[in-house]
Amino acid sequence: GQSLEQPSEVTAVEGAIVQINCTYQTSGFYGLSWYQQHDGGAPTFLSYNALDGLEETGRFSSFLSRSDSYGYLLLQELQMKDSASYFCAVREGGGFQKLVFGTGTRLLVSP
Amino acid sequence: SQTIHQWPATLVQPVGSPLSLECTVEGTSNPNLYWYRQAAGRGLQLLFYSVGIGQISSEVPQNLSASRPQDRQFILSSKKLLLSDSGFYLCAWSAQGASGNTIYFGEGSWLTVV
Repeated sequence: GQSLEQPSEVTAVEGAIVQINCTYQTSGFYGLSWYQQHDGGAPTFLSYNALDGLEETGRFSSFLSRSDSYGYLLLQELQMKDSASYFCAVREGGGFQKLVFGTGTRLLVSP
Repeated sequence: SQTIHQWPATLVQPVGSPLSLECTVEGTSNPNLYWYRQAAGRGLQLLFYSVGIGQISSEVPQNLSASRPQDRQFILSSKKLLLSDSGFYLCAWSAQGASGNTIYFGEGSWLTVV
């Protein structure tokens, strides 16, 4: 089977940096993705790592270590609007993009 | 550009009643299609996925079913709803092949079974 573990909740203040970790166990692995979901809304794509290393997109960065089955999402210069749930997801299929999601991390940003 | 729509946005249904949620994708052809469910404050559970018309794979045993009558249409159904079917249902799509690393979600449908 497959499993993804994330912390359930993280709190931080505006302007700070926060790291959300994700460890996974899957039968196949073709990449790690991150999604953001605000309360009442649908998840939206943030980033994708197929290879080891760091991917940077503005204030958000994502890291992957395939040998450690581990990745993280790094959010810098936190803003109030970053308060949301963040999900890591692994792509299991090669030809088919079956995504399995973690249970999510709720980020609370305070003034 | 590609868009995905699902409806209805919210519905309240009595136990034992039928269900039909519909989802359509525009601006792309032969997408992979998905139905996810999210219980309140929980993660996303993959219910069904489809790689083509009439091809449905079920991830978890349940009293729900899915159908794909057209290339860009995906329907989630139930003949008799249970209380445990309440939740936030999300339709999603991704492109075929190696370029489909990203999955795009519809607006979601809130189902409350009473």
